[in-house]
Amino acid sequence: DQQVKQNSPSLSVQEGRISILNCDYTNSMFDYFLWYKKYPAEGPTFLISISSIKDKNEDGRFTVFLNKSAKHLSLHIVPSQPGDSAVYFCAAGSNAGGTSYGKLTFGQGTILTVHP
Amino acid sequence: NAGVTQTPKFRVLKTGQSMTLLCAQDMNHEYMYWYRQDPGMGLRLIHYSVGEGTTAKGEVPDGYNVSRLKKQNFLLGLESAAPSQTSVYFCASTRPRETQYFGPGTRLLVL
Repeated sequence: DQQVKQNSPSLSVQEGRISILNCDYTNSMFDYFLWYKKYPAEGPTFLISISSIKDKNEDGRFTVFLNKSAKHLSLHIVPSQPGDSAVYFCAAGSNAGGTSYGKLTFGQGTILTVHP
Repeated sequence: NAGVTQTPKFRVLKTGQSMTLLCAQDMNHEYMYWYRQDPGMGLRLIHYSVGEGTTAKGEVPDGYNVSRLKKQNFLLGLESAAPSQTSVYFCASTRPRETQYFGPGTRLLVL
């Protein structure tokens, strides 16, 4: 049972254009969401997060949108740069009950390629 | 400040052999995690620890054991390696309500 899904294994965009990565979840108990970026032969690094009480969070070129009713979130990168080429993982967590201990559920990842 | 480090970086095992993967963090984090990453599967939680001397099972714990004798170290053991355990293993650590910091990964090949 995949509680967090990234249905697009890969995405290719031109430099300067917008990249939109999508993520869907099924567990209503998730109350915060994160995006991690991963380069080859490195560990994932935190990119941006959003709490379920918000519908948008922005950090420079990166914006995450959350649609709770659709159980869907997306990451927008504008403008896209070749250095953004990496695997992007969506992750979800829950603070409910105080026993989650920071555990995250990850999606399968989307490989983003930004062409010069 | 090295963050999260993992030893070894790469290892080849024969079926049935045992090994221990070491994770160390110097950020005084309470929580530590072991994940495995497989193609098309994302990162799946194997075991985690919420403090020194405590461990708990994650999503895919079978075939693995863990120990956290010191706060800064989290060990992942494979008692009898199987080809299905060929994967990339990541360790992560964090404090309550903060984001997880990941190590660089250990690539394991079981023949």
